Amino acid sequence: QVQLVESGGGVVQPGGSLRLSCAASGFTFRNYGMHWVRQAPGKGLEWVAVTSDDGRNKYYADSAKGRFTISRDDSKKSLFLQMDSLRPEDTAVYYCVKGWGSGTKTPDVWGKGTTVTISS
Amino acid sequence: QSALTQPASVSGSPGQSIAISCTGTSSDVGGYKYVSWYQQHPGKAPKLLIYDASNRPSGVSDRFSGSKSGNTASLTISGLQAEDEADYYCSSYTSSSTLLFGGGTKLTVL
Repeated sequence: QVQLVESGGGVVQPGGSLRLSCAASGFTFRNYGMHWVRQAPGKGLEWVAVTSDDGRNKYYADSAKGRFTISRDDSKKSLFLQMDSLRPEDTAVYYCVKGWGSGTKTPDVWGKGTTVTISS
Repeated sequence: QSALTQPASVSGSPGQSIAISCTGTSSDVGGYKYVSWYQQHPGKAPKLLIYDASNRPSGVSDRFSGSKSGNTASLTISGLQAEDEADYYCSSYTSSSTLLFGGGTKLTVL
């Protein structure tokens, strides 16, 4: 079955950086678009970024543009999110999400999430 | 971009049907078929219920159905059960090739 395991979360000071990882198994990773979606404490879901199956197309929410970078390593069946210039409002649970098919339009299966806290 | 508009809460009794609306614009919900619905129980990851506005992934109960008209999509849950009590979110593809989520709707089963 599809499994997505996020790691790399933690407590970071404002202005700092963090790199999230997602290890995928149970499906042919290279054939699927992959998303990052976050959820601030007690708040709703916020889409962050997506990479296409071939990694050529990447799109970001306005809140992430210029600060976050999504990438993938198909040889390691892994998805990454490099987060720089972090702000307190980036505090959230970050979910790795497999896309529906090769496209980038529909988040499908979700991991359990990793918690990121931005605080001084 | 602003989040899609959902009612903050809805409620219904066991066995009843309820509908949750999701309103956007012609640049998102109204412009594409790529509207999805998710169910999230407290402390759990979301689960995909509906994709492409009205399609159910295998394994999702047929008590869940979706529709779209103009800039508004809807999720209908029929034969309400206690286990349906959860938060529900819609999402839509946008003209900027990004995704937008709704603010979420808390469903209470009375």
